[in-house]
Amino acid sequence: KQEVTQIPAALSVPEGENLVLNCSFTDSAIYNLQWFRQDPGKGLTSLLLIQSSQREQTSGRLNASLDKSSGRSTLYIAASQPGDSATYLCAVAPRRYALNFGKGTSLLVTP
Amino acid sequence: DVKVTQSSRYLVKRTGEKVFLECVQDMDHENMFWYRQDPGLGLRLIYFSYDVKMKEKGDIPEGYSVSREKKERFSLILESASTNQTSMYLCASSAVGVQGTYEQYFGPGTRLTVT
Repeated sequence: KQEVTQIPAALSVPEGENLVLNCSFTDSAIYNLQWFRQDPGKGLTSLLLIQSSQREQTSGRLNASLDKSSGRSTLYIAASQPGDSATYLCAVAPRRYALNFGKGTSLLVTP
Repeated sequence: DVKVTQSSRYLVKRTGEKVFLECVQDMDHENMFWYRQDPGLGLRLIYFSYDVKMKEKGDIPEGYSVSREKKERFSLILESASTNQTSMYLCASSAVGVQGTYEQYFGPGTRLTVT
């Protein structure tokens, strides 16, 4: 079974810092990898989807990379803001339909 | 924008009750999913459906059933609710996109408490 691990589990940074969230997975045979954001008590918001043939995707201040051979992905957040405070979840698609999720990184950006 | 809606944000039920959680998506997606999310365990897949009347078990189907009579609607049924089913339930949908990828879109979640 595909296992997804996210490190660190929690992170606190001052506003303005650039930061990196890490995701690793055990089986490189994936269709795609998706990063989500979740605010407390809310549903998930899709941030970026990287196809298995791609190396990275960018959206605004967010950049996600994928290295399938090593089973790793990173989410880079530039110039962090207090509004970025949330839990960030990494999920991989080992088959066409379902996702396997990591347990998330809880991010706090302090003013 | 894709919209996935869930019938209730908060629900309180008693042990032994039959519970229905409803999910509706408005983007004609063929795939729909039910997950539960618990602290320390993350999101776990309960059931998914890849077509009307079709369903497959996920990782933790015990104690649950599902129904998909129409493409836009996917229901999760707790036949006899138990306290260990207290959780946040999240519905999602997806359809094949660019180069065969499936991007999932989530609803706001239903926080179910079973007393």
